[in-house]
Amino acid sequence: EDQVTQSPEALRLQEGESSSLNCSYTVSGLRGLFWYRQDPGKGPEFLFTLYSAGEEKEKERLKATLTKKESFLHITAPKPEDSATYLCAVQAGNTDKLIFGTGTRLQVFP
Amino acid sequence: NAGVTQTPKFRILKIGQSMTLQCAQDMNHNYMYWYRQDPGMGLKLIYYSVGAGITDKGEVPNGYNVSRSTTEDFPLRLELAAPSQTSVYFCASSSRAYNEQFFGPGTRLTVL
Repeated sequence: EDQVTQSPEALRLQEGESSSLNCSYTVSGLRGLFWYRQDPGKGPEFLFTLYSAGEEKEKERLKATLTKKESFLHITAPKPEDSATYLCAVQAGNTDKLIFGTGTRLQVFP
Repeated sequence: NAGVTQTPKFRILKIGQSMTLQCAQDMNHNYMYWYRQDPGMGLKLIYYSVGAGITDKGEVPNGYNVSRSTTEDFPLRLELAAPSQTSVYFCASSSRAYNEQFFGPGTRLTVL
């Protein structure tokens, strides 16, 4: 069965304390892996798409990487404004279905 | 550009009532989607559309209906509301299938 699992569920960081969020997946034929950021009371905001193992994308303090089984979202020297829920989604090749994980809630304290 | 807009922001329905959630986008995207988001669960696809006049079921379509008469608008209809439909509903659009979706601000629906 196609599945996406994100860990940890919640993460508290001190400002400047770098860390990584994990998205592990089991799908039949990965077509794409997507990262979104969601602020409380708002819709998700697109961050990155990764297509193949070894691919990396960066945006400000965020860097997304992809292997054959998982993706990491690395946050370098986070700031309080990086506090949000980060969602991972996977597009399965055989069904065109998009599967969302349950997200990691990140809190960054000054 | 306004992006993706949704109305209303909040709504309380009684069991058995019906309503339409409105969604509009001004980016000329062919692909549009309706999701629901429940606490502790990932976003679930209700219906999607690949262009005006073409719609298809997603993962959780029961109790909902959609139409797509124009590129811009993609309303979601709830018939005979049930407590299980209490959720936050998001509309999204994209220029390519499932990729780089732009989400609206959501509609928080409570069915009592």
